[in-house]
Amino acid sequence: EAGVAQSPRYKIIEKRQSVAFWCNPISGHATLYWYQQILGQGPKLLIQFQNNGVVDDSQLPKDRFSAERLKGVDSTLKIQPAKLEDSAVYLCASSYRGGAETQYFGPGTRLLVL
Amino acid sequence: AQSVSQHNHHVILSEAASLELGCNYSYGGTVNLFWYVQYPGQHLQLLLKYFSGDPLVKGIKGFEAEFIKSKFSFNLRKPSVQWSDTAEYFCAVVSGGGADGLTFGKGTHLIIQP
Repeated sequence: EAGVAQSPRYKIIEKRQSVAFWCNPISGHATLYWYQQILGQGPKLLIQFQNNGVVDDSQLPKDRFSAERLKGVDSTLKIQPAKLEDSAVYLCASSYRGGAETQYFGPGTRLLVL
Repeated sequence: AQSVSQHNHHVILSEAASLELGCNYSYGGTVNLFWYVQYPGQHLQLLLKYFSGDPLVKGIKGFEAEFIKSKFSFNLRKPSVQWSDTAEYFCAVVSGGGADGLTFGKGTHLIIQP
């Protein structure tokens, strides 16, 4: 079974530029999550999708971050414009139905904002 | 908002030593509890989880955790560690009710010396 795929793996940009990350969850998984992991901290949930609908985006900085999952499969997370404090690893995870089911994580995209 | 505290940020042990990593959570209602592990260069992966029933949960690679509701704790244990257990360990909680993104602790970096 293929795991959660993410691209790119690494990205370096300057502040005020825009950047986008892509995630393809495990086939058949209805629930998709984006997390932000700043160095030295645990992952923090940014947004949760159930199929193509948003379940929770309460911790998403909506003035600069946006995410979509138009067809209920893959998803993109965008930052525009980026700030220095956005430097982090962005993790995508998926689960079959959500709830307390196991979340499977991708390798992450490491973002450095200069 | 719920939170998770992991008491030890860095732990160094010798092989064959016993391990206990502390985890406390703040939410007072029904919770689902998880321990995730990240081995060097690998994805976050599930070690074990507690939903209900027997408070002593067994996971992969000889790990176990005990849910003590009165202490809001879910400590991870292993009777005899191996060099290959060197990794970052994260405790996480889901409170349920639809929005089920994980709330993670800051993690414990475990180093096993041969």
